[in-house]
Amino acid sequence: GAVVSQHPSRVICKSGTSVKIECRSLDFQATTMFWYRQFPKQSLMLMATSNEGSKATYEQGVEKDKFLINHASLTLSTLTVTSAHPEDSSFYICSAPSSGGSYNEQFFGPGTRLTVL
Amino acid sequence: DAKTTQPPSMDCAEGRAANLPCNHSTISGNEYVYWYRQIHSQGPQYIIHGLKNNETNEMASLIITEDRKSSTLILPHATLRDTAVYYCIVSGSARQLTFGSGTQLTVLP
Repeated sequence: GAVVSQHPSRVICKSGTSVKIECRSLDFQATTMFWYRQFPKQSLMLMATSNEGSKATYEQGVEKDKFLINHASLTLSTLTVTSAHPEDSSFYICSAPSSGGSYNEQFFGPGTRLTVL
Repeated sequence: DAKTTQPPSMDCAEGRAANLPCNHSTISGNEYVYWYRQIHSQGPQYIIHGLKNNETNEMASLIITEDRKSSTLILPHATLRDTAVYYCIVSGSARQLTFGSGTQLTVLP
């Protein structure tokens, strides 16, 4: 099946700094990618939809100025957590739907564990 | 998208079939039933999906009731590596998935 990668897999940063997370579709093009956040012992929560060539759309309660999304190409979306604080510590996961036929399958990245000290 | 209800946890003996239930009584006619699983600290993995008919692939079987209000995911011969959280999701498109709390399946040796 298709592969989605994320980089880095794990990052530790100081409070107040910014962190960039990359999401790449390795063998297919994705005009849309999704960013999720998962706190310990909780389910995945959709944060935003990344759209190639246009602005991202954010879910209610997600600050667009804090979580900057750039869909630079058909295979790359980046999520930048600006001025990170300890409460932003979480597992960030991206996904990209395949295309073709009448069914689109979602392929998920392996996740990025962010720890803000 | 329709809401789903799953038991929070289940145990299964290694080598036995694991049957994971899901209720989706408000499912509409154009909504699919998707199953994903998430092994600890990894991204979710697609398992199977279906609309009306029962489906089978190399990973699992999906049994959907005739009224489509519930379904069961069957792992025919569970292994320790099948220990994960299993999510049942109902949606008109795989492009828009809303994850519930899922079922923590623990396969016991």
